[in-house]
Amino acid sequence: GAGVSQSPRYKVTKRGQDVALRCDPISGHVSLYWYRQALGQGPEFLTYFNYEAQQDKSGLPNDRFSAERPEGSISTLTIQRTEQRDSAMYRCASSPGLTSGTGETQYFGPGTRLLVL
Amino acid sequence: QKEVEQDPGPLSVPEGAIVSLNCTYSNSAFQYFMWYRQYSRKGPELLMYTYSSGNKEDGRFTAQVDKSSKYISLFIRDSQPSDSATYLCAMTLMNRDDKIIFGKGTRLHILP
Repeated sequence: GAGVSQSPRYKVTKRGQDVALRCDPISGHVSLYWYRQALGQGPEFLTYFNYEAQQDKSGLPNDRFSAERPEGSISTLTIQRTEQRDSAMYRCASSPGLTSGTGETQYFGPGTRLLVL
Repeated sequence: QKEVEQDPGPLSVPEGAIVSLNCTYSNSAFQYFMWYRQYSRKGPELLMYTYSSGNKEDGRFTAQVDKSSKYISLFIRDSQPSDSATYLCAMTLMNRDDKIIFGKGTRLHILP
């Protein structure tokens, strides 16, 4: 079956531009997570949703970052006024259960590689 | 057998003690190992990230991986009340794998 998909796979943008990263979770998965992963490091948590409700956004670096999941399925991570330090791999994950992440397998998408020039 | 086993606790230790948290796993192909800390109703915060066997130290935290025994540990030195949280081990086959298996988490209480 289809796994988690993300688009675009690569995004190059100029500093100051806004970007929107899309995540399409596995069908029926309740929980959706956004992570940022630096090269050679594990995924660092940004925010997560149970259905359409954003449960925790404490991992978002600052108020330029926001995320939504309006219908409890597809999610968008938006970065406004991008800066060079925002360059990273942004990964989305979903899990089937209503959970805060404990004891559940998280299925990751391929990620969006963002480069801010 | 679950792929990742972790004692849920709770584990209560006095402030200042050394804490030892552990996970065992069944899939010998796992290569990347992580420890996350999670406070109530919050997302998981990455603490340690290690590749293959060996030790890694970061401040008061030390992660150990013993692939021959399929056993990983997280040690917390000089434990503090703010360390009270749920600690999750996690592992994956490849750095960019499409699946990360989390343990159930161990609830840790540091007693002042």
